[in-house]
Amino acid sequence: QKEVEQNSGPLSVPEGAIASLNCTYSDRGSQSFFWYRQYSGKSPELIMFIYSNGDKEDGRFTAQLNKASQYVSLLIRDSQPSDSATYLCASNYGNNRLAFGKGNQVVVIP
Amino acid sequence: GAGVSQTPSNKVTEKGKYVELRCDPISGHTALYWYRQSLGQGPEFLIYFQGTGAADDSGLPNDRFFAVRPEGSVSTLKIQRTERGDSAVYLCASSYGQSEAFFGQGTRLTVV
Repeated sequence: QKEVEQNSGPLSVPEGAIASLNCTYSDRGSQSFFWYRQYSGKSPELIMFIYSNGDKEDGRFTAQLNKASQYVSLLIRDSQPSDSATYLCASNYGNNRLAFGKGNQVVVIP
Repeated sequence: GAGVSQTPSNKVTEKGKYVELRCDPISGHTALYWYRQSLGQGPEFLIYFQGTGAADDSGLPNDRFFAVRPEGSVSTLKIQRTERGDSAVYLCASSYGQSEAFFGQGTRLTVV
């Protein structure tokens, strides 16, 4: 069963702070993982992908992967009001078929 | 095209009616995916095409749902005898091989 869990409720962070999002996945065969940002009423937009254990940084975003613990996280540094959105974690279980979590809403307070 | 295009953007239909949702992928993208997103949930995989053939249709919820991609480009998702539970945003995505999948803006289907 290919499940991706995002259990945290809405996350409110002050502008300039770090937002931390977590997700776990059940399929040990998944090799790559994605974080999508989705604004209300819009389609998902890829912001980060990660294949290897450890950290991957891209601008203000850092993705972390721990395959042994089946855990993926996303850090957003220096949070901006424009970062307010729902963040979806997804695993690729083959041929780019994605299993998504239900998402975490982030609200950045100016 | 510049991006994945989905039409219509909104569709309201009566329970029991037949609907077709269209997806025009990015030019040259060989893989095409349909997902369904209900309110407050992440997208749920429905079907994946590689070229003209459905490589994986395991996510289609029942036999009222069917999708085609006859020329390996545009795809149509077809829903027969619609039910209120089919109401959702239907998202299409395309990719070239294993590269990033790009999503369209979706079709919001409302069954009344």
